[in-house]
Amino acid sequence: NAGVMQNPRHLVRRRGQEARLRCSPMKGHSHVYWYRQLPEEGLKFMVYLQKENIIDESGMPKERFSAEFPKEGPSILRIQQVVRGDSAAYFCASSATPPGFSNEKLFFGSGTQLSVL
Amino acid sequence: ELKVEQNPLFLSMQEGKNYTIYCNYSTTSDRLYWYRQDPGKSLESLFVLLSNGAVKQEGRLMASLDTKARLSTLHITAAVHDLSATYFCASLGLYGNKLVFGAGTILRVKS
Repeated sequence: NAGVMQNPRHLVRRRGQEARLRCSPMKGHSHVYWYRQLPEEGLKFMVYLQKENIIDESGMPKERFSAEFPKEGPSILRIQQVVRGDSAAYFCASSATPPGFSNEKLFFGSGTQLSVL
Repeated sequence: ELKVEQNPLFLSMQEGKNYTIYCNYSTTSDRLYWYRQDPGKSLESLFVLLSNGAVKQEGRLMASLDTKARLSTLHITAAVHDLSATYFCASLGLYGNKLVFGAGTILRVKS
């Protein structure tokens, strides 16, 4: 059972380009979370999705950022017209149960390091 | 809004010494998570604390939770170099949808 798979590991974009980050949750997991980590900072929540639904996007910037988790295929975090401030590590996590279940455990992927030139 | 604060943010220890990392959170929560992150790597789950008074131990690390004080501690016993990493605590909050992380504690164990 592979863990949470994120790709690419490293992504370099020029200002104004689009960045697409992919996350395949663990098998059987239907809950996906995206977090952003700036250098030497903690992880900041961005969005929580279940299959085909956005449950909580309170951490997503209002513009340029979007996320989806289709019925088939990986979850995608899309950043349009990237700016230097978007440079960060983006982590995806998945779980089998909704938040707050007693046996809930969150598994993290290896992250995508986005660098905007 | 749930806030999670860790201290210290940086900890330099000698091998063999003991120390404690503190994690305070601002709103009621009945679960607290501790993660370890090595440079350039993902987060590894260490402990999930589910109730007041919960204590869990793994090797040289022991975590506890006091929900009344809204405080969790991660105690390191007889530190070894392999424990050098960044340690994060995270709280879900009651009825929360997401984990809120502390800023992390960078631990360096010197021989």
